[in-house]
Amino acid sequence: AQSVTQPDIHITVSEGASLELRCNYSYGATPYLFWYVQSPGQGLQLLLKYFSGDTLVQGIKGFEAEFKRSQSSFNLRKPSVHWSDAAEYFCAVVPNSGGYQKVTFGTGTKLQVIP
Amino acid sequence: DSGVTQTPKHLITATGQRVTLRCSPRSGDLSVYWYQQSLDQGLQFLIQYYNGEERAKGNILERFSAQQFPDLHSELNLSSLELGDSALYFCASSVVQGAFGTGELFFGEGSRLTVL
Repeated sequence: AQSVTQPDIHITVSEGASLELRCNYSYGATPYLFWYVQSPGQGLQLLLKYFSGDTLVQGIKGFEAEFKRSQSSFNLRKPSVHWSDAAEYFCAVVPNSGGYQKVTFGTGTKLQVIP
Repeated sequence: DSGVTQTPKHLITATGQRVTLRCSPRSGDLSVYWYQQSLDQGLQFLIQYYNGEERAKGNILERFSAQQFPDLHSELNLSSLELGDSALYFCASSVVQGAFGTGELFFGEGSRLTVL
């Protein structure tokens, strides 16, 4: 069955430390891949997306993500976390198979940033 | 600002009542999605409309219904409300490339529904 998994429900990092949030998918072909962020009391905002091409994609707010076909992963990274990055992060996938494209979200990872 | 507008931002009502949530998509976006977000269920896809027609249904209860109007705004109607319907309801619109888009969504700030 097609699925997207975010194995970490909660992650705590110190301000200034590096961050990696994991996302794995299970689809027949490489889907379109997205990371969204939801700040408290806000809607989801697109951080970055991968459709094809260069496997390292840059997004907003200093985030990047790397697509690894062999691991069916699309992990989100940031070299140095800021307190304002505290939020919930969602990985999302869309089948790249033509026709209707259903967006499937992972269960989210809550990021806590400590001083 | 995503360009997606949702009203009302907050709504408090009683069990058994009916409410209507409204969404205006980004200019030019033909697709509107509705999501429910609660603490125990996470982000649940409810329904999608494309250019006035229902395109896909997710975990939407029979007590809930939606429509998309000719001006592309959408309304989500929730009736016979129960305590468990308390949640954040998000509307999103999608970039359109061809008939189906790319799945890139722009979210509104949500409507927080509290059922007492």
